[in-house]
Amino acid sequence: EAQVTQNPRYLITVTGKKLTVTCSQNMNHEYMSWYRQDPGLGLRQIYYSMNVEVTDKGDVPEGYKVSRKEKRNFPLILESPSPNQTSLYFCASSPRAGQGFEQYFGPGTRLTVT
Amino acid sequence: GQNIDQPTEMTATEGAIVQINCTYQTSGFNGLFWYQQHAGEAPTFLSYNVLDGLEEKGRFSSFLSRSKGYSYLLLKELQMKDSASYLCAVRDNTGFQKLVFGTGTRLLVSP
Repeated sequence: EAQVTQNPRYLITVTGKKLTVTCSQNMNHEYMSWYRQDPGLGLRQIYYSMNVEVTDKGDVPEGYKVSRKEKRNFPLILESPSPNQTSLYFCASSPRAGQGFEQYFGPGTRLTVT
Repeated sequence: GQNIDQPTEMTATEGAIVQINCTYQTSGFNGLFWYQQHAGEAPTFLSYNVLDGLEEKGRFSSFLSRSKGYSYLLLKELQMKDSASYLCAVRDNTGFQKLVFGTGTRLLVSP
């Protein structure tokens, strides 16, 4: 089944404890992206990747890191999480950058930082 | 930059028709998407418009007017399962595949 998977789905952690949220897609998509979703603010892009080893900042990159060593994986790293990073996170992928390609979203990761 | 406006919430009755509007301001337009998102779930793609006019897909249709910076999503023969949030997203041409999402319209369908 073609899909985007994320792990973990739920995570409660403490301030300053490094964590990684994994994202994997099995559709051979070139483009991948991370979003966070907060009430009243909608989906905001954190980082995106055009292809392997090509990443760039979105609108809210502060406090996050990403890497794209393989086409299928795009992990999101929080080196020192803070309470303002409590949010619902979505990974998404699409065949490639360009007009008309819809994004396929993973199931989401609900993160709470205390 | 971009600015996208949608109503926060709408209500409608099962079997009725509802129109969800989206207005946008962007420095360079390269397509508009509509996504559906049920509470606690991932957004799923509904429609895409890049040229002016109406795109129809079953019970759902989406309209675009680029000169007015305006789109709407039309849902016909509403069903209870259509209760969800509807997200308007605009792609600009200043960054590859950069989508900017509106805050979404929560639709409640009642019997």
